[in-house]
Amino acid sequence: EAGVTQFPSHSVIEKGQTVTLRCDPISGHDNLYWYRRVMGKEIKFLLHFVKESKQDESGMPNNRFLAERTGGTYSTLKVQPAELEDSGVYFCASSQVDLNEQFFGPGTRLTVL
Amino acid sequence: AQSVTQLGSHVSVSEGALVLLRCNYSSSVPPYLFWYVQYPNQGLQLLLKYTSAATLVKGINGFEAEFKKSETSFHLTKPSAHMSDAAEYFCAVIPFYNQGGKLIFGQGTELSVKP
Repeated sequence: EAGVTQFPSHSVIEKGQTVTLRCDPISGHDNLYWYRRVMGKEIKFLLHFVKESKQDESGMPNNRFLAERTGGTYSTLKVQPAELEDSGVYFCASSQVDLNEQFFGPGTRLTVL
Repeated sequence: AQSVTQLGSHVSVSEGALVLLRCNYSSSVPPYLFWYVQYPNQGLQLLLKYTSAATLVKGINGFEAEFKKSETSFHLTKPSAHMSDAAEYFCAVIPFYNQGGKLIFGQGTELSVKP
């Protein structure tokens, strides 16, 4: 069984540019989560999808961040325009049931210069 | 708001020594509790979880954790460290009031194992 995959593994962009991160959850997992770890800080929740619906987006920093999960399969997280403080590692996780184990992807390391 | 505190951002032990990584949570009602591990260039992997069953939870790779309500703690231990245990360890909770599964993480503890 394939695990959670994320693309790209690394992204380096200039301030003001747009970046789109992709997450492919484990097949059959209705729950999909995005988290972010800024350097030196703890991993923080961004949002939670159940199938294609946003269940909880309380962790989204501001309206420069847009997450989608069309068709309830893969998800994208777009940052537009990117700012320096958006640098960090973005993790995606999926689970079958919302209180079950979350399976994490390897993360996308985003650097905004 | 619920928070998780991990004492010590870096812990170093000798191979064969006891591993003790500390985690305290801030809630009068016990949440669901987890320990995750991240090896270099990999995603987080679940070590173990507490969901109100036995207070001593056994996980993978010889790790275990004990839930102590009176101390609001969930410390992770392993009797004998192995070189392959070198990684970053995260304690996390799902508050009892959050049914969506949103994890709240501690700051992480980097474990080094000396030969």
